Amino acid sequence: AQSVTQLGSHVSVSEGALVLLRCNYSSSVPPYLFWYVQYPNQGLQLLLKYTSAATLVKGINGFEAEFKKSETSFHLTKPSAHMSDAAEYFCAVSTTGGFKTIFGAGTRLFVKA
Amino acid sequence: GAVVSQHPSRVICKSGTSVKIECRSLDFQATTMFWYRQFPKKSLMLMATSNEGSKATYEQGVEKDKFLINHASLTLSTLTVTSAHPEDSSFYICSARKGLAGSGYPQRAYNEQFFGPGTRLTVL
Repeated sequence: AQSVTQLGSHVSVSEGALVLLRCNYSSSVPPYLFWYVQYPNQGLQLLLKYTSAATLVKGINGFEAEFKKSETSFHLTKPSAHMSDAAEYFCAVSTTGGFKTIFGAGTRLFVKA
Repeated sequence: GAVVSQHPSRVICKSGTSVKIECRSLDFQATTMFWYRQFPKKSLMLMATSNEGSKATYEQGVEKDKFLINHASLTLSTLTVTSAHPEDSSFYICSARKGLAGSGYPQRAYNEQFFGPGTRLTVL
């Protein structure tokens, strides 16, 4: 079985500060891992994905995430927060053999001016 | 690109009526589409997996007679909420899986889902 845990339902940072959104996963097989962003009343946009290639994955809008198998983590980071980064972020896990993608509970990012 | 559209984006209906939501993959074929439901300030809950040409697979606890899913072509899946009630009010999101196993698509592409913009259903 697979699961995803996002630590912190809300994260608040100042504009220009480091963004760190935490995600831990559980999977009995090598996982595919994703980070999605959702703006109010919109669908999900893929930020980045890990598909067993490089462990450090760079995505759109300056975000990146590092797959750490020993820690079963896939934390999302951005060096400098921008006001436009304020949104809901979802970590998700899937496998090549399965059809399901399991989403974490989400973390709402607030960016203060 | 890989674009998925949903129609309508927003619908308000009276209790007891049925509502159909369409999900289309605009520039790729999708043998598998997924329907999710998202409650306010909550995560996405997978409702069902829609396979082209066959019956949908529903998740535990989802009423298949309440939420009818049809995947008649490689680019279209529909979700019909029958006899809608206020508790069915929610944000419904579809996604489409790109590619087919053995079709030549890279394995990495096979597992990626592309999401529609969502449909806000309000039942009065």
